[in-house]
Amino acid sequence: AQRVTQPEKLLSVFKGAPVELKCNYSYSGSPELFWYVQYSRQRLQLLLRHISRESIKGFTADLNKGETSFHLKKPFAQEEDSAMYYCALSVENDKLIFGTGTRLQVFP
Amino acid sequence: GAVVSQHPSWVICKSGTSVKIECRSLDFQATTMFWYRQFPKQSLMLMATSNEGSKATYEQGVEKDKFLINHASLTLSTLTVTSAHPEDSSFYICSASFLGGVSYGYTFGSGTRLTVV
Repeated sequence: AQRVTQPEKLLSVFKGAPVELKCNYSYSGSPELFWYVQYSRQRLQLLLRHISRESIKGFTADLNKGETSFHLKKPFAQEEDSAMYYCALSVENDKLIFGTGTRLQVFP
Repeated sequence: GAVVSQHPSWVICKSGTSVKIECRSLDFQATTMFWYRQFPKQSLMLMATSNEGSKATYEQGVEKDKFLINHASLTLSTLTVTSAHPEDSSFYICSASFLGGVSYGYTFGSGTRLTVV
């Protein structure tokens, strides 16, 4: 079955603390994974894609096929990082399967 | 680049009426668009995949006669909620896939909040 799991509904940290948002997937094919971010009252935006292996706004994510994970990390959280984060898996016919999302709250 | 415009941003309608939501790709051609539904504090649930010039592909459990999708051109897909009922009240989001090297991904509309009274 195709599934994306984000176990944490809410993650609260203080500014400057490291952040890790967990994402696990289940897919029999070759996975193509994304992280999307939704700031308050804004549309979903692409944060990063595992194939591009880039760092956006200080965030990185590494695909671990052995653990079927694609956790999102940032060494020092900023207040402006507060948002809803969705992990997503692209499957056949370009469909995106979303996780349930994790709300990140960064306190000053 | 790769912007999707969705209208209206919100709509209130009476039970039993139909509502049309438009999704336009502004600066690229979208052969495939996707329609999602999002309930409060929940994730996006894919409703259907809309392909230009052909019938939409609906996900299991989505009534195709209730949620009519038309993708008549490479820049426009519409979702019509027919005979709307209060339980259809939700946030509907469209998306389009695009190719752009490292920017390959999906771009999303700003969503439409439908309230059926």
